[in-house]
Amino acid sequence: GAVVSQHPSRVICKSGTSVKIECRSLDFQATTMFWYRQFPKQSLMLMATSNEGSKATYEQGVEKDKFLINHASLTLSTLTVTSAHPEDSSFYICSAEKDGSNEQFFGPGTRLTVL
Amino acid sequence: GENVEQHPSTLSVQEGDSAVIKCTYSDSASNYFPWYKQELGKRPQLIIDIRSNVGEKKDQRIAVTLNKTAKHFSLHITETQPEDSAVYFCAASSGRLTGGGNKLTFGTGTQLKVEL
Repeated sequence: GAVVSQHPSRVICKSGTSVKIECRSLDFQATTMFWYRQFPKQSLMLMATSNEGSKATYEQGVEKDKFLINHASLTLSTLTVTSAHPEDSSFYICSAEKDGSNEQFFGPGTRLTVL
Repeated sequence: GENVEQHPSTLSVQEGDSAVIKCTYSDSASNYFPWYKQELGKRPQLIIDIRSNVGEKKDQRIAVTLNKTAKHFSLHITETQPEDSAVYFCAASSGRLTGGGNKLTFGTGTQLKVEL
């Protein structure tokens, strides 16, 4: 199959701290990964496109200095939420696009709560 | 950029009935249209997809139709079962980004409830 893992699944942090979320494609290579944010009862909103070995492409309105993305290998992308605020509390989901395919495989998501 | 609208936002059907969810898109260059099922707190799961060179695709109780001229596509679920209850999202993509990647724009979602 095509399995994507995300870690941690849940995290609670204090305002002002930073949180790192990892997204891994376990059994395939993914040059491109995507980071989404989903608020309760809403759709998935693309935050950024992460490309291995190059800078991420951020969607309009997403602060690149606040949401740091690193895609250092063909199987791992990380999202760091810096100086977290309560309004950053959300469900963060990554997806990995299997090289040579259109299909995106989603991670299980990370529930972030900022106190 | 692409804009995807989805209707209805909620849909209740009796077990065994059919359910239809409709989406429209704005970018005529879009050529890939997946549908996802998401249960509460879980990841979206691809249930079916269609490409612009095909008008209809079917997989057991699930079918998708695409009208490129009108820029809309629909999900059809027949013989619904309680386990079909979930949120369904449509999405559209215009293909590869510069440097790679297949950016998806999602619809707003439909909460489907299948009642016994």
